[in-house]
Amino acid sequence: GAVVSQHPSRVICKSGTSVKIECRSLDFQATTMFWYRQFPKQSLMLMATSNEGSKATYEQGVEKDKFLINHASLTLSTLTVTSAHPEDSSFYICSARTGGGWGAYEQYFGPGTRLTVT
Amino acid sequence: TQLLEQSPQFLSIQEGENLTVYCNSSSVFSSLQWYRQEPGEGPVLLVTVVTGGEVKKLKRLTFQFGDARKDSSLHITAAQTGDTGLYLCAGGGTGANNLFFGTGTRLTVIP
Repeated sequence: GAVVSQHPSRVICKSGTSVKIECRSLDFQATTMFWYRQFPKQSLMLMATSNEGSKATYEQGVEKDKFLINHASLTLSTLTVTSAHPEDSSFYICSARTGGGWGAYEQYFGPGTRLTVT
Repeated sequence: TQLLEQSPQFLSIQEGENLTVYCNSSSVFSSLQWYRQEPGEGPVLLVTVVTGGEVKKLKRLTFQFGDARKDSSLHITAAQTGDTGLYLCAGGGTGANNLFFGTGTRLTVIP
């Protein structure tokens, strides 16, 4: 259980174009999903929190007009990188949160999407 | 921001050796997770600890949550090459909606 998928796994696009990445929770419903960015040999950096049916909450320094997030259903969140530039090239990872007792919760991660902007 | 510092940052050991990775913070967390990530893949959840002083064992891996719920450790016994990867701790604050990730420990087990 608790499987999260991402599509595509790899994408190469030209500078100035937009790219959409999908994140799906396959066997559970996720009211909250998260989008992370990871640079080579570094830890994960939270970009935004995606809540089903409401606007995403962005972390400080993340441009909400550049990284559009839509959480249209309890199993799908999308991240669109608009007007991509080479500096947007990175590994993007989504996760979906499950509920837990005692105030604990767990996040299950997708396999990631490698974006390369040429 | 609740900062989680992991040490060591890099670790290279021979197969069969034991090792411990530490995750420390000045903040209290309601829960703490450990993940392992392999290159080009998303992190995979290994364990969740929620009670101060809690110890969990998964085969050769032993996880401990500090009494004050500010720190945690991961001990691997008789490391294998398959243990190679990036180990990340992540803490959940009380009422927090997201996890705060540690700085990561990159482990390489040499055959």
